[in-house]
Amino acid sequence: EAGVAQSPRYKIIEKRQSVAFWCNPISGHATLYWYQQILGQGPKLLIQFQNNGVVDDSQLPKDRFSAERLKGVDSTLKIQPAKLEDSAVYLCASKGTLVSEAFFGQGTRLTVV
Amino acid sequence: AQTVTQSQPEMSVQEAETVTLSCTYDTSVNNYYLFWYKQPPSRQMILVIRQEAYKQQNATENRFSVNFQKAAKSFSLKISDSQLGDTAMYFCAFMKRPGGTSYGKLTFGQGTILTVHP
Repeated sequence: EAGVAQSPRYKIIEKRQSVAFWCNPISGHATLYWYQQILGQGPKLLIQFQNNGVVDDSQLPKDRFSAERLKGVDSTLKIQPAKLEDSAVYLCASKGTLVSEAFFGQGTRLTVV
Repeated sequence: AQTVTQSQPEMSVQEAETVTLSCTYDTSVNNYYLFWYKQPPSRQMILVIRQEAYKQQNATENRFSVNFQKAAKSFSLKISDSQLGDTAMYFCAFMKRPGGTSYGKLTFGQGTILTVHP
């Protein structure tokens, strides 16, 4: 079974630029999560999708972050414009319906300079 | 809202010895899951062990076991016969049982860095 795929693995941008991250979840998984993990801290949920609908985006900074999950499969997370404090690892995870285990991708490390 | 607290920022242990990582959580719901995830330097988050709240028996996976105290809202991880490959950051996490209007929000603690010394 293929795992959760994320790209790119690393990204360096200047502040005020825009950036996008891509996630391909495990086939058939209805739930998709995007987390922000600042160095040395626990992951913070940014947004959670159930199929192609948003079920939780309470911690997403909506003035600069956006996410979509077209057709309930792949997802993209965008930051525009980026700030220095957005430097973090962005983790994508997916989960099957009515089961508990979430599977994670390898993450994208973003550095904003 | 659920919160998860890990009070030990760092722990260290000698190879082959036993170490216990602590976790407490706060929730008002009765049906939930608790997890321990391991995150090595490669960044890939890997599930170590899972506990279902309605099960009284503590979960065990080879060298990993938990002490689940539901009334105290405590969920500690014991690693026996520690190995160098256990060196990683460990996260305790909470999920309300999916179903109805719950879609399984996964909430993490702050993490504990575990170093296993040879």
